Amino acid sequence: SQTIHQWPATLVQPVGSPLSLECTVEGTSNPNLYWYRQAAGRGLQLLFYSVGIGQISSEVPQNLSASRPQDRQFILSSKKLLLSDSGFYLCAWIDLFYGYTFGSGTRLTVV
Amino acid sequence: GDSVTQMEGPVTLSEEAFLTINCTYTATGYPSLFWYVQYPGEGLQLLLKATKADDKGSNKGFEATYRKETTSFHLEKGSVQVSDSAVYFCALGSGNTGKLIFGQGTTLQVKP
Repeated sequence: SQTIHQWPATLVQPVGSPLSLECTVEGTSNPNLYWYRQAAGRGLQLLFYSVGIGQISSEVPQNLSASRPQDRQFILSSKKLLLSDSGFYLCAWIDLFYGYTFGSGTRLTVV
Repeated sequence: GDSVTQMEGPVTLSEEAFLTINCTYTATGYPSLFWYVQYPGEGLQLLLKATKADDKGSNKGFEATYRKETTSFHLEKGSVQVSDSAVYFCALGSGNTGKLIFGQGTTLQVKP
């Protein structure tokens, strides 16, 4: 069966520190992968998506970057966090039959 | 560009009340439409979907009909329960890359 793993579940980081959030999927190959962010009181915003290894599309300009070093691994990073980076980050992949599957999310608080 | 607009919350109802959460969209072509639910402390789960005009998606007593003429996909439930308390997101599938465009979410609180 297809599963998606995302960690950590919660994270508190100081302003200016680096960030690395990891997402891995199992039970599928060559999935389309996505990073979404949900800021407090707002909806979900697509940050990045990837249709294959090394292929990253950015949807909005920001302080974050994404990488896909392996077929089933998608990483969200920042060199220096800002207060405005706080939010709930969700990784997702899409299957033609099942549709979207979301990870359990990482709640990031930048202090 | 494509967009989704949901009614603002929070929506507070008593148990067994009728629920409607409005959702309208703007899109080129014929997108698929979705409702996702986020229970407290959890990630998003697909609630229901519709892939073409006049399709009705349904699940767990919730329903939504894809109305192309009014560009709407309103979520309804005849009798809500306390366990339905959650945030509900309307979304559309944009383009052929699988991207989802989400509405801002509507918080539903059901009181016993």
